[in-house]
Amino acid sequence: EAGVAQSPRYKIIEKRQSVAFWCNPISGHATLYWYQQILGQGPKLLIQFQNNGVVDDSQLPKDRFSAERLKGVDSTLKIQPAKLEDSAVYLCASSLPLEATDTQYFGPGTRLTVL
Amino acid sequence: DQQVKQNSPSLSVQEGRISILNCDYTNSMFDYFLWYKKYPAEGPTFLISISSIKDKNEDGRFTVFLNKSAKHLSLHIVPSQPGDSAVYFCAASGGGGSQGNLIFGKGTKLSVKP
Repeated sequence: EAGVAQSPRYKIIEKRQSVAFWCNPISGHATLYWYQQILGQGPKLLIQFQNNGVVDDSQLPKDRFSAERLKGVDSTLKIQPAKLEDSAVYLCASSLPLEATDTQYFGPGTRLTVL
Repeated sequence: DQQVKQNSPSLSVQEGRISILNCDYTNSMFDYFLWYKKYPAEGPTFLISISSIKDKNEDGRFTVFLNKSAKHLSLHIVPSQPGDSAVYFCAASGGGGSQGNLIFGKGTKLSVKP
């Protein structure tokens, strides 16, 4: 079974530029998550989708971050414009239908460096 | 305000011995706890979990203990192997947030020496 795919793996941009990350979840997983992991910290949830609807985006900085999940499969996370403090690893995860006990499977992440 | 705390940034253990990783939490509404393992340049991988109605869960060399009164959980790895060297994250859910919203600790880097 293929795991969660993410691209790109690495991205370097200058502040005020825009960037987009892509995630393809495990086939059949209805729930998709985007996490931000700053160096030395644990992952922090940014947004959670159930199929193509948003379940929780309370920690998403909506003035600069946006995310969509068209057709309930792939998802993109965008930052526009980027700030220095956005430097982090962005992790995508997926799980089966929305249950707190369903295991979340993580992709390898995209490491973003903002200069 | 950290709801899940891993106070030891690192731990070094000899191969074959027991590794004990600790985690404390503050939110009494958490009802599900997980441990994830992370190798460099990879995403976290699920290791083991425990529901708040239990005090112990075992899976092979890995055992998680939950002490609800102390708001403390621990992960025991016996015997430790060099391949266990990784960063271990404690996570919790059910703390009033959306289902599936995992709150992670900062992680503990385990080094198992041959």
